[in-house]
Amino acid sequence: AQSVTQLGSHVSVSEGALVLLRCNYSSSVPPYLFWYVQYPNQGLQLLLKYTTGATLVKGINGFEAEFKKSETSFHLTKPSAHMSDAAEYFCAVSVRGFGNEKLTFGTGTRLTIIP
Amino acid sequence: GAGVSQTPSNKVTEKGKYVELRCDPISGHTALYWYRQSLGQGPEFLIYFQGTGAADDSGLPNDRFFAVRPEGSVSTLKIQRTERGDSAVYLCASSLMGGAINEQFFGPGTRLTVL
Repeated sequence: AQSVTQLGSHVSVSEGALVLLRCNYSSSVPPYLFWYVQYPNQGLQLLLKYTTGATLVKGINGFEAEFKKSETSFHLTKPSAHMSDAAEYFCAVSVRGFGNEKLTFGTGTRLTIIP
Repeated sequence: GAGVSQTPSNKVTEKGKYVELRCDPISGHTALYWYRQSLGQGPEFLIYFQGTGAADDSGLPNDRFFAVRPEGSVSTLKIQRTERGDSAVYLCASSLMGGAINEQFFGPGTRLTVL
């Protein structure tokens, strides 16, 4: 079985500062990794995903994440925070193979941007 | 185009009652998922449909929960003899086809409150 740990349920950064949201995963087989964002009263939206190939993945809204197998991590970063980035962020893992379609999510990190 | 829609957006019921939650996936999407998100938690997988059949129902918590997708499009999640612990946001997602590599598009959810 796979699992995800998100360190820090709440993160606050100043507008223009670096955003770093941490995600560590556990999986016995090569994982697929995802970051989703949830704005208030909206559905989850995919930010980016890692499946195979390049370990640095770029997503929407200037976010990127790097898959580090040795550290079992998939941290999300953005060089300069905007007020519109305030939301809840979820890291999720799945695994390859038939019958492994479900996503296993972390508990989420609420990002607050300080003006 | 239209996204995933869920009805109702809010449902308040009394303990012991029966409820039905509806999901309309994106047209043409063959895969459909139900997740449950409790307060302060990430979404938890309930069930996955490929076409009309439930390909993975390992996340259903007990036999009070049941879901159908009779024509391979709309799905209904049914909860019998509701309990206060069933209170959560129920999320539906669809993807073009099965397999975790394919993006799951989420609806806004149905907030269920059991009094």
